Amino acid sequence: EAGVAQSPRYKIIEKRQSVAFWCNPISGHATLYWYQQILGQGPKLLIQFQNNGVVDDSQLPKDRFSAERLKGVDSTLKIQPAKLEDSAVYLCASSLVGTRITDTQYFGPGTRLTVL
Amino acid sequence: GESVGLHLPTLSVQEGDNSIINCAYSNSASDYFIWYKQESGKGPQFIIDIRSNMDKRQGQRVTVLLNKTVKHLSLQIAATQPGDSAVYFCAERPPQPYSGYSTLTFGKGTMLLVSP
Repeated sequence: EAGVAQSPRYKIIEKRQSVAFWCNPISGHATLYWYQQILGQGPKLLIQFQNNGVVDDSQLPKDRFSAERLKGVDSTLKIQPAKLEDSAVYLCASSLVGTRITDTQYFGPGTRLTVL
Repeated sequence: GESVGLHLPTLSVQEGDNSIINCAYSNSASDYFIWYKQESGKGPQFIIDIRSNMDKRQGQRVTVLLNKTVKHLSLQIAATQPGDSAVYFCAERPPQPYSGYSTLTFGKGTMLLVSP
């Protein structure tokens, strides 16, 4: 079974530029998550999709971050404009159902973003 | 021994020793807990989970202990190997009474260093 795919793996941009990340979840997984992981910290949830609908975006900085999952499969996360403090690894995860207590989240390798 | 570094607590052990990694979780109403392993440059990988109605669960070489009285979770790794070197995160599932969806909150992580 293929895992969660993410691209690009690395991205370096200057502050105030825009950047987009792509995620392809495990086939058949209804729930997709985007996390931000700052160096030395645990992942922090940015947004959670159930199929193509948003179920939690309470920690997404909506003035600069946006995400979509139009067809309920792939997803993109965009930052516009980027700030220095956005430097982090952006992780995508997926799970089968999302509502079961023991629904396991599977993570992709992440995209390491450096904002100069 | 265990020490607090600049970013992450670090546990250094010798190959073959047993390792114990500790985690204090925040929400007494959390009903599900997971341990993840994260190697350098990779996304978190599921190790073992436990529901709040249990106090111990065993896997292959790993055991998770849950003490709800003091909101404490531990991961025991038997016969630690160099391949176990990684950062270990605990995650908890706080109650989601409105959305019903499974959202995880991650702890800060502990780095495990295994020397041959």
